[in-house]
Amino acid sequence: DTGVSQDPRHKITKRGQNVTFRCDPISEHNRLYWYRQTLGQGPEFLTYFQNEAQLEKSRLLSDRFSAERPKGSFSTLEIQRTEQGDSAMYLCASSLALYGYTFGSGTRLTVV
Amino acid sequence: LAKTTQPISMDSYEGQEVNITCSHNNIATNDYITWYQQFPSQGPRFIIQGYKTKVTNEVASLFIPADRKSSTLSLPRVSLSDTAVYYCLVDPNSGNTPLVFGKGTRLSVIA
Repeated sequence: DTGVSQDPRHKITKRGQNVTFRCDPISEHNRLYWYRQTLGQGPEFLTYFQNEAQLEKSRLLSDRFSAERPKGSFSTLEIQRTEQGDSAMYLCASSLALYGYTFGSGTRLTVV
Repeated sequence: LAKTTQPISMDSYEGQEVNITCSHNNIATNDYITWYQQFPSQGPRFIIQGYKTKVTNEVASLFIPADRKSSTLSLPRVSLSDTAVYYCLVDPNSGNTPLVFGKGTRLSVIA
């Protein structure tokens, strides 16, 4: 296992379109997190899963955002009706309870 | 979660030791102090974690005084490849509270 994988690495979309990102965590990690990062800022928490259960969602996660983790394995983050303000790096991380996070390299979204 | 405060940026020459101090005045009894490193276009990477006194690994040392209201990340003999953003976080280490990142310290290493 080579770490946390995110796909795609880059996505350019037109405003109003829907986009979906995928995250494949380290296989034995039961927790999976989504963060968003804009230029010059630290990562901002969006949501996290323990196995397949979504345990917490940030108020940043508007109703246009939805995340799933079917069967407690990979996860998807979907943004509907994208807006220019959604342009950011979307980071996924996984962990075992009580251990540090392993982040992926992120998906950079540009909404034009 | 306790808030952390660290310098926005620091510069250093290659070969020098760099110390980045973080304050976390409201740290709770069960909280750990954790540092992450982030290079451009990559996700943050865990560097080191400690509870008190001193922790050392192959990358860095972490010094935590007895009152635990601050901590210092020490990078020995930095190289150009250490140019990155360094985040100090307070981690409840319960696994139930997601980590909260601040803006971090942007370290620039100069030849």
